[in-house]
Amino acid sequence: AQSVSQHNHHVILSEAASLELGCNYSYGGTVNLFWYVQYPGQHLQLLLKYFSGDPLVKGIKGFEAEFIKSKFSFNLRKPSVQWSDTAEYFCAVNAGTSGTYKYIFGTGTRLKVLA
Amino acid sequence: EPEVTQTPSHQVTQMGQEVILRCVPISNHLYFYWYRQILGQKVEFLVSFYNNEISEKSEIFDDQFSVERPDGSNFTLKIRSTKLEDSAMYFCASMRVNSISPLHFGNGTRLTVT
Repeated sequence: AQSVSQHNHHVILSEAASLELGCNYSYGGTVNLFWYVQYPGQHLQLLLKYFSGDPLVKGIKGFEAEFIKSKFSFNLRKPSVQWSDTAEYFCAVNAGTSGTYKYIFGTGTRLKVLA
Repeated sequence: EPEVTQTPSHQVTQMGQEVILRCVPISNHLYFYWYRQILGQKVEFLVSFYNNEISEKSEIFDDQFSVERPDGSNFTLKIRSTKLEDSAMYFCASMRVNSISPLHFGNGTRLTVT
């Protein structure tokens, strides 16, 4: 069965610090990978996605993620965080095979950026 | 940009009562989902719906739950005989075509069972 692990549950950073949030998945086949962000009181919004091609994908608001197939990882990065990045971040996986369109989410990482 | 809309934003109900959570997916989307998020926990898949029938469901989605698309625009989640542990944020999501389309989420309905 597919699963997604996010190792950091709570991260506190100062503004301008660099961010890396870990995400590992377990699935042997083709996967589609996503990062969603949930700002306080709001719904989940797509931050970036990977389907194929260049393993380094860029998303909105300066975020990027790197797909490393050999490590089953899709870590999220941002070189310099801002106070407005305070949110919860969820990694998600879709198996990418026909017949199942179920997205599996990680447990989330709550990021707090101190001004 | 079109949005997924959910009503109500907050629902309080007594244990044992039935609730219906409503969602209007994005109009040209074909796949519909319900997820829930218990406070402080992960986003959990409940059910997916395509072509007027359930395509997948999790073990959470037992006989207490049902979904319906009654009129071609609304997508509802019914919880019969609510329990305290059903208290959670319930998110509706829709997807346009296939697995490479991202999920679009609504703002959620916070269900509180007392």
